[in-house]
Amino acid sequence: LAKTTQPISMDSYEGQEVNITCSHNNIATNDYITWYQQFPSQGPRFIIQGYKTKVTNEVASLFIPADRKSSTLSLPRVSLSDTAVYYCLVGDVSPYSGAGSYQLTFGKGTKLSVIP
Amino acid sequence: DADVTQTPRNRITKTGKRIMLECSQTKGHDRMYWYRQDPGLGLQLIYYSFDVKDINKGEISDGYSVSRQAQAKFSLSLESAIPNQTALYFCATAPRRGGNEQFFGPGTRLTVL
Repeated sequence: LAKTTQPISMDSYEGQEVNITCSHNNIATNDYITWYQQFPSQGPRFIIQGYKTKVTNEVASLFIPADRKSSTLSLPRVSLSDTAVYYCLVGDVSPYSGAGSYQLTFGKGTKLSVIP
Repeated sequence: DADVTQTPRNRITKTGKRIMLECSQTKGHDRMYWYRQDPGLGLQLIYYSFDVKDINKGEISDGYSVSRQAQAKFSLSLESAIPNQTALYFCATAPRRGGNEQFFGPGTRLTVL
């Protein structure tokens, strides 16, 4: 079971780039890394997912080094509406991959506060 | 996501009562999940299902059971509720081939007195 570790909280000013790192030292070969955003009293919302190197979409980038023991979510030019908790999820994308039991592990999340 | 609905949204019950939380989805997804979230903590997987005939335990399944009545419906039951099951419960869905991109419902806030 790949355990994840994230900073508990981070503060940033509006307009800055924010990088949130997740450590997952015992990530398995078939595991993907997925990031979610959660606002109070709402369900998490998918941000981005990757396996290795770099992935970019319209809202974020995900950097994964070659050893895959960590990953960094990058949010460009944050605004007040980006204040939320960000979760790193590490797990196999399919129970049919033959890699063993299918498991998903959410980290405890990083509370990002964006300051005006 | 409006395509994933949960009922009830809030429920207060007493210790020992049987409770059912329901989840419905119109996304046509094969995979469905139940999670619980305690204040200040991340999400813990209770059960998951990849089709109507498939039920699997997650990391904290003790005290819970599930039923996948149809592709669109996945119910979570607490056979005999206890106070430490007070939490926010989320249902999520995912397509068969979508990695770990899950779509979450709005949550059910359950209080066990």
